[in-house]
Amino acid sequence: DAKTTQPTSMDCAEGRAANLPCNHSTISGNEYVYWYRQIHSQGPQYIIHGLKNNETNEMASLIITEDRKSSTLILPHATLRDTAVYYCIVRDYNFGNEKLTFGTGTRLTIIP
Amino acid sequence: EAQVTQNPRYLITVTGKKLTVTCSQNMNHEYMSWYRQDPGLGLRQIYYSMNVEVTDKGDVPEGYKVSRKEKRNFPLILESPSPNQTSLYFCASSYFSGGGNTGELFFGEGSRLTVL
Repeated sequence: DAKTTQPTSMDCAEGRAANLPCNHSTISGNEYVYWYRQIHSQGPQYIIHGLKNNETNEMASLIITEDRKSSTLILPHATLRDTAVYYCIVRDYNFGNEKLTFGTGTRLTIIP
Repeated sequence: EAQVTQNPRYLITVTGKKLTVTCSQNMNHEYMSWYRQDPGLGLRQIYYSMNVEVTDKGDVPEGYKVSRKEKRNFPLILESPSPNQTSLYFCASSYFSGGGNTGELFFGEGSRLTVL
């Protein structure tokens, strides 16, 4: 069973902020939220992760709701190179079940 | 350079001919995993390994075997490949999350396998 659900696809205008939602309503207290993206058929690339606080790095921001049941990845100024499939996963940091489920992700298309 | 290396990158084979896809990482990661990717089905985990000699099934292990005799290597073995194993395969590795590590997965470039 998928532990996260994401919209199948989204469009965003170039230069605007892209907001990608993820639902993880069954997340446990030990689980981090991770985001990856896959450009064409390349290997997925790590973007960002968080536990309960909002996080920001040079690529993106991650907003996690207070109840931790959902999160939003924000690409602040989307470019054409951000067109990719974005995956949200949860991972137990107590070295627990490492059966990681990626699902089908969200296909983000940046429109010129 | 930190990397996960898969070989071969491309392979066309025939039904029943045993093959091995190798995966090697140079980051001393404990965790390694194999995924397959098919159109419309996303990334599905085949097997994973928590450390040397410790492996476990993912969501789609049927028809595959793995071994973890050394920390850096995690080969995927198809004893008798069938056409439904035609897919794009990815190997990934990481430290475990927690203990100051990010738990970030590093992926290989992928191996595209076609079974005729």
